[in-house]
Amino acid sequence: DTAVSQTPKYLVTQMGNDKSIKCEQNLGHDTMYWYKQDSKKFLKIMFSYNNKELIINETVPNRFSPKSPDKAHLNLHINSLELGDSAVYFCASSQDGEPDTQYFGPGTRLTVL
Amino acid sequence: DAKTTQPNSMESNEEEPVHLPCNHSTISGTDYIHWYRQLPSQGPEYVIHGLTSNVNNRMASLAIAEDRKSSTLILHRATLRDAAVYYCILRDLVFGNEKLTFGTGTRLTIIP
Repeated sequence: DTAVSQTPKYLVTQMGNDKSIKCEQNLGHDTMYWYKQDSKKFLKIMFSYNNKELIINETVPNRFSPKSPDKAHLNLHINSLELGDSAVYFCASSQDGEPDTQYFGPGTRLTVL
Repeated sequence: DAKTTQPNSMESNEEEPVHLPCNHSTISGTDYIHWYRQLPSQGPEYVIHGLTSNVNNRMASLAIAEDRKSSTLILHRATLRDAAVYYCILRDLVFGNEKLTFGTGTRLTIIP
């Protein structure tokens, strides 16, 4: 009964490759997010989507492209992976309303060699 | 986003209450005070939130100063499972600004 799930949990790949991380939420929420946690454990928002529409894009390189096929899914595709992309990526979701609560997935640890 | 200040780390004995402070002197009138925590190797988890009045839920209590420039997260009886990084976050929920802006948080260690 996982509320927010991500696949894969671990991803190891070579520099220059293209990879995707998938996120699904079964909470019926309207908004989904991607956060990045770097090696210093600093957690930062990357994107948010509300009902499949991009709401927040926090100066993330164009190599990162989120895609929301439907309200329950928000996938993250990364082109031409670089060493600095190594991090843990967290997906989250929330229901519209004030104030809302975000529910986070377990994270995907990406290692770029 | 208004900034919060938290101690880098705290320790507490198991089964004792824990008071985690947060300063937010530049808080605006529409900022909600949220607390999240991140257990080791897990995603952040919502703990509690409030605007002006003190709040209680099954996980914790939130005490908000009368001038709202500071708040305290209270764990009434800490267990080993409460060892985590606790984040105090201000959120002004204008549409399009639902992001959580995490600081460095307080790393709470529970001593058995």
